[in-house]
Amino acid sequence: KAGVTQTPRYLIKTRGQQVTLSCSPISGHRSVSWYQQTPGQGLQFLFEYFSETQRNKGNFPGRFSGRQFSNSRSEMNVSTLELGDSALYLCASSPQGTGRTYEQYFGPGTRLTVT
Amino acid sequence: SQQGEEDPQALSIQEGENATMNCSYKTSINNLQWYRQNSGRGLVHLILIRSNEREKHSGRLRVTLDTSKKSSSLLITASRAADTASYFCATGSSNTGKLIFGQGTTLQVKP
Repeated sequence: KAGVTQTPRYLIKTRGQQVTLSCSPISGHRSVSWYQQTPGQGLQFLFEYFSETQRNKGNFPGRFSGRQFSNSRSEMNVSTLELGDSALYLCASSPQGTGRTYEQYFGPGTRLTVT
Repeated sequence: SQQGEEDPQALSIQEGENATMNCSYKTSINNLQWYRQNSGRGLVHLILIRSNEREKHSGRLRVTLDTSKKSSSLLITASRAADTASYFCATGSSNTGKLIFGQGTTLQVKP
């Protein structure tokens, strides 16, 4: 099976812009989670989707949003970008249930740089 | 805030030696997972141990879990240069509804 794919891999945006990141989970996986990784804060949970419904949300401002489509592909959007949003954004899918219960398979990440 | 705290933050060993990393957490969990991340890339799942298990093996990996002490350890035996990476523990909990990662241990294995 193909692994989790994320597009784009690298992105450079300026403050105030918005960005949309895409994630395609492993075929058959219905749970998709998003994480933000920065040197200072480490890996932080953004949100999790299961069967097109947001199941859990981390402590991020409303500028961060996401959705999941019927084919389990997911997108996350960040509006009004700030310098502090520069990070590696990781998507992960789980084979069953939700990520807190089963192992997660991660994509390579999208490296977002905000200037 | 991070659930898991890992110790040490960095570890440097010679090839062939064993590497031990520890993880402590604060709340009750359903499971604890270990992941590896090579520089700036996605995480790779290594092993999952459930709260009712005490020890688990996978190849050169051995994970222990002590729920009374809220701690876990990851042992990599006979380390190789290819094991050089960051290692993260992550706890899954029904209470929090999310998988929470520790800050990670950076392991360097010198050839």
